[in-house]
Amino acid sequence: QVQLQESGPGLVKPSQTLALTCSVSDDSISNSDYYWSWVRQRPGKGLEWVGNIYYRGRANYNPSLKSRISISLDTSKNQLSLDLGSVTAADTALYYCARALRFCNGGPPCLSHDYWGQGTLVTVSS
Amino acid sequence: QSVLTQPPSVSAAPGQKVTISCSGGSFNIGNNYVSWYQQFPGTAPKLLIYANNRRPSGIPDRFSGSKSGTSATLGITGLQTGDEADYYCGAWDSSLTAMLFGGGTNLTVL
Repeated sequence: QVQLQESGPGLVKPSQTLALTCSVSDDSISNSDYYWSWVRQRPGKGLEWVGNIYYRGRANYNPSLKSRISISLDTSKNQLSLDLGSVTAADTALYYCARALRFCNGGPPCLSHDYWGQGTLVTVSS
Repeated sequence: QSVLTQPPSVSAAPGQKVTISCSGGSFNIGNNYVSWYQQFPGTAPKLLIYANNRRPSGIPDRFSGSKSGTSATLGITGLQTGDEADYYCGAWDSSLTAMLFGGGTNLTVL
């Protein structure tokens, strides 16, 4: 059973950088079948995809966040990381990491997120 | 505002069937696979359907998915009060090179 666990500060000041880590167990982040994603959910709102990364280091980002975001992998620790800069109150959310299957049946992109972490709440406030 | 459009809410009686729609475009639903997620309050989303109509192991066959053109549909039969949750569709957008989620649909079992 694949397990993902997010960690990071629960409180970040406006204009600073939000930095989160996701530790993965029982799968390797070098597994070529999967992307590793960050998804957030603002209080009372829906799911918002933040970005994802493939083991070869290629990352994709939400266009609305692209100028402020960086996602990386640490294969030695089997972890992925999220850095989101210049945060505002609008970045207050529950942040999830998740595993996403790249392709289904050898066809077009699948991106079905089959395992999720429990989420970590980040509040942006002074 | 989500690029994938879902109704904000649907409702039906126990034992009945409900469908939830998800409308997109040619660069997402039209040419890529759709997945569906169930989320209960305070918990992480759970994958219900992937590749348009496939169920992961452990998901009952009361849940089904279909796709036609640039729209997808989640069907739930034999509704139970335990199905009350938020449901989200998702698809990759090849133009944006981004994952899209629908705005979510809250299901009430009356």
